[in-house]
Amino acid sequence: AQSVTQLDSQVPVFEEAPVELRCNYSSSVSVYLFWYVQYPNQGLQLLLKYLSGSTLVKGINGFEAEFNKSQTSFHLRKPSVHISDTAEYFCAVTSTASKLTFGTGTRLQVTL
Amino acid sequence: DAGITQSPRHKVTETGTPVTLRCHQTENHRYMYWYRQDPGHGLRLIHYSYGVKDTDKGEVSDGYSVSRSKTEDFLLTLESATSSQTSVYFCAISEDGNYGYTFGSGTRLTVV
Repeated sequence: AQSVTQLDSQVPVFEEAPVELRCNYSSSVSVYLFWYVQYPNQGLQLLLKYLSGSTLVKGINGFEAEFNKSQTSFHLRKPSVHISDTAEYFCAVTSTASKLTFGTGTRLQVTL
Repeated sequence: DAGITQSPRHKVTETGTPVTLRCHQTENHRYMYWYRQDPGHGLRLIHYSYGVKDTDKGEVSDGYSVSRSKTEDFLLTLESATSSQTSVYFCAISEDGNYGYTFGSGTRLTVV
């Protein structure tokens, strides 16, 4: 079985500050990892994904994430956030079972 | 989202009535999924399909059934709607099941 834990339900941050959204996973097999973003009243949009290779993955809108196998983590980072980054962010994991398992989400609130 | 549409976008129904939600794709992807999104729970898998007439249960399948008679359509039916099924329902598609999903815009269902 696979599972995902997003450690923070809400993260408040000032504009232009750096941010890290934390994600830990558990799985008995090799995994693929994803981050999705959901803007208000919209569906989910893929930010980035780790399938194999380099552990540092770059995505859209200036976000990046680092896969750490020893710590079973896949934290999302951005060096300088903008008001428009205010949204809910979901970490997700799948093995070869063809089913994505999502975390409970982290609401990023960016203020001036 | 391009290539995937959900209908209806909003629905209010009474307890005990049957309800069918439709997901339509134009991408010819093999995999289709139904998730529900609830505060504090993230997205939870209801059912998924890995081909025409091939479906399987997710983690919250009780009270739901699905059908896929064509590649492009995946129907979710609530046989007898209950208030606990008030939620936002998302359909997703995937070409191979592992490399990230594309989500629809969601259906907001209210059971009164």
